[in-house]
Amino acid sequence: DMKVTQMPRYLIKRMGENVLLECGQDMSHETMYWYRQDPGLGLQLIYISYDVDSNSEGDIPKGYRVSRKKREHFSLILDSAKTNQTSVYFCASSSTGGITEVFFGKGTRLTVV
Amino acid sequence: QQQVRQSSQSLTVWEGETAILNCSYENSAFDYFPWYQQFPGEGPALLIAIRSVSDKKEDGRFTIFFNKREKNLSLHIKDSQPGDSATYFCAASAWRFASALTFGSGTKVIPCLP
Repeated sequence: DMKVTQMPRYLIKRMGENVLLECGQDMSHETMYWYRQDPGLGLQLIYISYDVDSNSEGDIPKGYRVSRKKREHFSLILDSAKTNQTSVYFCASSSTGGITEVFFGKGTRLTVV
Repeated sequence: QQQVRQSSQSLTVWEGETAILNCSYENSAFDYFPWYQQFPGEGPALLIAIRSVSDKKEDGRFTIFFNKREKNLSLHIKDSQPGDSATYFCAASAWRFASALTFGSGTKVIPCLP
């Protein structure tokens, strides 16, 4: 069963708190991603991970960091969350970059108040 | 600068008619163009994709028309049905770099009864 699982699905945090979003995949994919989705902006790439401890910044990495210690897990960390980080965050994975099918999780809706 | 652009935020189409969604791109290195379909509360899912060596790709009711010279493409949804109500994202990447997908802002398709 090919799946990308995100936890939690919904999260409310206060400004300044730390946030941990977790993602797992069961397809042994090398490449994993974090995107955020905002109305009218589509999906914007935050970070891409090519494998364990091989992470690169995407288009909007400021205010975020990631951790990938196992191939099947990829975490997104917000240190001291800001209100403008309120968004829906999607984790995704693929076998080889963006040229094969990219599988997305169901998303985490984060609200920072 | 938006590298992948979708001209319409939303599109209303009569059920049974063909919906046409347009997309354009800036980066000449892009050579792989998937369309992703997203239902509310779900993540995007691959619908159909084309490489720049082709000018047309068909899969059931869905067809991509690609114009490399003009740097644009379109997704045609034939015989629109209520189940097609979703947001459609045009995306692009560079095959030889295995780069991450760059997404457009999406077009919400709304089928309605004639």
